[in-house]
Amino acid sequence: QQKVQQSPESLIVPEGAMTSLNCTFSDSASQYFAWYRQHSGKAPKALMSIFSNGEKEEGRFTIHLNKASLHFSLHIRDSQPSDSALYLCAVSPGYQNFYFGKGTSLTVIP
Amino acid sequence: DAGVTQTPRHEVAEKGQTIILKCEPVSGHNDLFWYRQTKIQGLELLSYFRSKSLMEDGGAFKDRFKAEMLNSSFSTLKIQPTEPKDSAVYLCASSLPGNTEVFFGKGTRLTVV
Repeated sequence: QQKVQQSPESLIVPEGAMTSLNCTFSDSASQYFAWYRQHSGKAPKALMSIFSNGEKEEGRFTIHLNKASLHFSLHIRDSQPSDSALYLCAVSPGYQNFYFGKGTSLTVIP
Repeated sequence: DAGVTQTPRHEVAEKGQTIILKCEPVSGHNDLFWYRQTKIQGLELLSYFRSKSLMEDGGAFKDRFKAEMLNSSFSTLKIQPTEPKDSAVYLCASSLPGNTEVFFGKGTRLTVV
């Protein structure tokens, strides 16, 4: 069964900093990779996704995927207090279930 | 557009009771998921349905947990009997088939005393 692991478990950064979150997976046949964000007491919500090797940027957020290394990451430029949340990575082999990591708790200090 | 609706939002049960959680997926979504979320284990899959057919269930949850899709727009999760270790947030989610965004409900927070 797919193993999805996130690091670090928690992170505290000052406002304006660059934040990097990591996710590793075990199934090299995985096809869909995504990050979800969950604010305290709220439902997880999709942030961005990627299907092929490389990089994708949306505003302050960038996702990197390296399938050969079984690794993808999320980078947040100019981190804001409103970015404070639990970040979940998700992996799917395609047309099947989604496997989630345990999450990275991010706190951005003003 | 209505998102995923879960009821109740909070549930308190005594050990040994039977509880039923409810979920209405996004209209038109064929895939439905039930997850349990705890700080220690994160998101754990309980059940996964496609077009009302059970595709996958979390092996460790088979004996006391039973999810059903009564029709394409309504699902239930029954826990019988409840145990204190079942205290968690239960999330229902839905999506279109094929690597698309998963939409989550707000969850049901279950406390078993």
